[in-house]
Amino acid sequence: EAGVAQSPRYKIIEKRQSVAFWCNPISGHATLYWYQQILGQGPKLLIQFQNNGVVDDSQLPKDRFSAERLKGVDSTLKIQPAKLEDSAVYLCASSLVLASTDTQYFGPGTRLTVL
Amino acid sequence: AQKITQTQPGMFVQEKEAVTLDCTYDTSDQSYGLFWYKQPSSGEMIFLIYQGSYDEQNATEGRYSLNFQKARKSANLVISASQLGDSAMYFCAMRELLNDYKLSFGAGTTVTVRA
Repeated sequence: EAGVAQSPRYKIIEKRQSVAFWCNPISGHATLYWYQQILGQGPKLLIQFQNNGVVDDSQLPKDRFSAERLKGVDSTLKIQPAKLEDSAVYLCASSLVLASTDTQYFGPGTRLTVL
Repeated sequence: AQKITQTQPGMFVQEKEAVTLDCTYDTSDQSYGLFWYKQPSSGEMIFLIYQGSYDEQNATEGRYSLNFQKARKSANLVISASQLGDSAMYFCAMRELLNDYKLSFGAGTTVTVRA
């Protein structure tokens, strides 16, 4: 079974530029998550989708970040314009259902550097 | 309040020895799930082991076992027969209904295995 796919793996941009990340979850997984992980910290949830609907985006800085999951499968996360403090690893995860027993599986992440 | 506490920022272990990583959690929910993930320097978050709050037996997965003490709200990870490839950051995490099944992570523990 294929895992969660993400691209690109690495991205370097200058501040005020825009960037987009792509995620393809495990086949059949209804729930998709985007996390931001600052170096030396645990991941922080940015947004959570159930199929193509947003379940939680309370931690998403909506003035510059946006995310969509149009057909309930792939998802994109966009930052526009980027700030220095956005330098982090962006992790995508998916799970079968929304339950305490259900495991989230993560992709390899996108390492973003903002100069 | 911190939901997941990992008090050991870093640990050294000799190859082939066992190591215990501490994790305590805080919840008033009766139904919750506890997870351990491994994050090597490559950045991918790898699922290791799961323990449900109603599980009476401690979870085991190969060389990983979870020492679950519900009354003390602790879920320590034991890695037996450490290998050089076990060197990584380890995160304890919890999903609970009261938090809309969001995954809450601890700060992580860095494990370095010495030859």
